[in-house]
Amino acid sequence: AQKITQTQPGMFVQEKEAVTLDCTYDTSDQSYGLFWYKQPSSGEMIFLIYQGSYDEQNATEGRYSLNFQKARKSANLVISASQLGDSAMYFCAMRESPMSTASKLTFGTGTRLQVTL
Amino acid sequence: DADVTQTPRNRITKTGKRIMLECSQTKGHDRMYWYRQDPGLGLRLIYYSFDVKDINKGEISDGYSVSRQAQAKFSLSLESAIPNQTALYFCATSDHGLNQPQHFGDGTRLSIL
Repeated sequence: AQKITQTQPGMFVQEKEAVTLDCTYDTSDQSYGLFWYKQPSSGEMIFLIYQGSYDEQNATEGRYSLNFQKARKSANLVISASQLGDSAMYFCAMRESPMSTASKLTFGTGTRLQVTL
Repeated sequence: DADVTQTPRNRITKTGKRIMLECSQTKGHDRMYWYRQDPGLGLRLIYYSFDVKDINKGEISDGYSVSRQAQAKFSLSLESAIPNQTALYFCATSDHGLNQPQHFGDGTRLSIL
């Protein structure tokens, strides 16, 4: 079974609009962390935001926020006020309990976001 | 200067050649990782290391080997390259802790003809 599922291969959003990128995960651990990364066309991987399984508040970092629904095992990334520079691949990743899986990240297959004028 | 530096950035080589990809970091992290990225498959873990004496296989280690020469250096080797190892390769580092992100180098684009 996939540990991280991103069901949207591609998304379009108009500049200045908000967009939600979906991520669902599968784990039996109680303690885990969820990460989002951005990969622009230049190829580098840029860390955006983190959500811990015990965090009661949804994480926010500037225009990025996480819609974390633990019971549904989803951690959707919300980008507000989209900009042309947000056009990129976005990856969701999970780190399960460090004691059991040695602090590895498992990545989803990504969503390609295109911001249009 | 980049915190995580990969060399070379691009490499084209022939089937059967031995190739080494190098990674160095100035972040002082103990944990280092090698991933490969293929279109539509996300990033997959090849090897990881928690310190100089600790090397572990990831999910796709066949055909690869690694060496942790120092805390700051972690190299990936393809002993006899084959075309399906053509991919984008990333080195990453992280600190201890569940909430610590991995920090990536800029990647090496490897093409094997």
